[in-house]
Amino acid sequence: GIQVEQSPPDLILQEGANSTLRCNFSDSVNNLQWFHQNPWGQLINLFYIPSGTKQNGRLSATTVATERYSLLYISSSQTTDSGVYFCCVVTSGTYKYIFGTGTRLKVLA
Amino acid sequence: GAVVSQHPSWVICKSGTSVKIECRSLDFQATTMFWYRQFPKQSLMLMATSNEGSKATYEQGVEKDKFLINHASLTLSTLTVTSAHPEDSSFYICSASRDKNTGELFFGEGSRLTVL
Repeated sequence: GIQVEQSPPDLILQEGANSTLRCNFSDSVNNLQWFHQNPWGQLINLFYIPSGTKQNGRLSATTVATERYSLLYISSSQTTDSGVYFCCVVTSGTYKYIFGTGTRLKVLA
Repeated sequence: GAVVSQHPSWVICKSGTSVKIECRSLDFQATTMFWYRQFPKQSLMLMATSNEGSKATYEQGVEKDKFLINHASLTLSTLTVTSAHPEDSSFYICSASRDKNTGELFFGEGSRLTVL
């Protein structure tokens, strides 16, 4: 099956810093989403981005489907950005949503 | 965004008992829902795809007799952990997609199961 790898696995930032999270996938995908899992376990939708670039406030994302990767940019990080970030893909020809390995982010005040 | 609600949020039970977790789509009809399991500090693992009016499709390695899934209506899917044991303790989370064209997925709040 498809492999979805995220990097880095762990990231510690000082408040105000910028960061880039990466999601690599091993096969063609129809859909790609980015989620933030907060400390209570809730998954928050960040971006639905099968291709192209989107921005929402301090966050933006880019997916280059032909090269099989997606990037999530966090600018001017805040302590509330802490948590785990997951990408999730749906492979072409299936209807299964497969999660990446995750990036655990901690933003220090 | 779409709203998916899950209940209960927390459940503690004795070994050998069965536990039912409900997943509801509150503002849309979901012909398909997905159940995931998450162990501490790990990613989400797809357990099964719940299909309204038909049998669920289980992923390899997931015991269908242990994890019973019922999707009796377009807004409700249930996961029953039967004869629960401590190793079944985990975070269970459901999801659904409102728009089959985009396939954007929305998640419930999750249910944390502890089996004593």
